Amino acid sequence: GAGVSQSPSNKVTEKGKDVELRCDPISGHTALYWYRQSLGQGLEFLIYFQGNSAPDKSGLPSDRFSAERTGGSVSTLTIQRTQQEDSAVYLCASSPRTTTNEQFFGPGTRLTVL
Amino acid sequence: SQELEQSPQSLIVQEGKNLTINCTSSKTLYGLYWYKQKYGEGLIFLMMLQKGGEEKSHEKITAKLDEKKQQSSLHITASQPSHAGIYLCGPRGGSEKLVFGKGTKLTVNP
Repeated sequence: GAGVSQSPSNKVTEKGKDVELRCDPISGHTALYWYRQSLGQGLEFLIYFQGNSAPDKSGLPSDRFSAERTGGSVSTLTIQRTQQEDSAVYLCASSPRTTTNEQFFGPGTRLTVL
Repeated sequence: SQELEQSPQSLIVQEGKNLTINCTSSKTLYGLYWYKQKYGEGLIFLMMLQKGGEEKSHEKITAKLDEKKQQSSLHITASQPSHAGIYLCGPRGGSEKLVFGKGTKLTVNP
C-alpha cells in the first residue's frame, strides 16, 4: 500500500524566502508528526497533530515555523524568511495509534537555504 | 529532557560479522524504539521494547532492553550489506514525541 509521501524531495531556496513542505500521511492514520534532521544530528521533533486536538507545537524552533493539517489528512510545514540554519532534512511521519505507537516515516524533504 | 547516547557513532564491519550497537538513556526508560534509516527512504520501524529484560528479534536483528541500566542493545548476526544504514533509538514515554539519539552509522563491506 501507499506509504507516507513528502514533496518536494529537494528544495533549494534563497535566504529570506518562504518555503512550504508537504506531507501526505497514510490514509486513516490519525497522528502526524514533523521532525527535522540536521547534518550529523539526531531527529529533532517539531510538531505533532492528533485527530482534532490542538497540535503540540512545543518543538517549533521559532515563530517563523508553522504547520497546518487540513481535514485530518495532508499537512503543510511552512518556514517563513528562511535562514541558512534552517537547512536540514524535514521528515514527516504518521501513526495509526496502535499499541506499538509505530510511526511510519516519509522519505523527507531536503531543504537547502543559500 | 531525556538524552539518548548511542555508541558507537560509526561502525564498519565485514560482511558476515556480528555487531552490537548500544543506546543509553539519561533517565529511566519505560520502553524503547529502534529505527533504521537509509538515505532517501526515511526511517523504518524495527521494533519496540516495552519491558525490562524484553528481547525481540526481527530477521537477524535482536534488541534487548535493560531498564535498570537504562540502556538497550541491538545485535546483528552475520551482517549483510542490506543491514547498512543509520540505526536510531528513541525512548517511549508519556509523550508521543520521539526524541532520538544521534544514531549509529553502520557500513557493511562485502
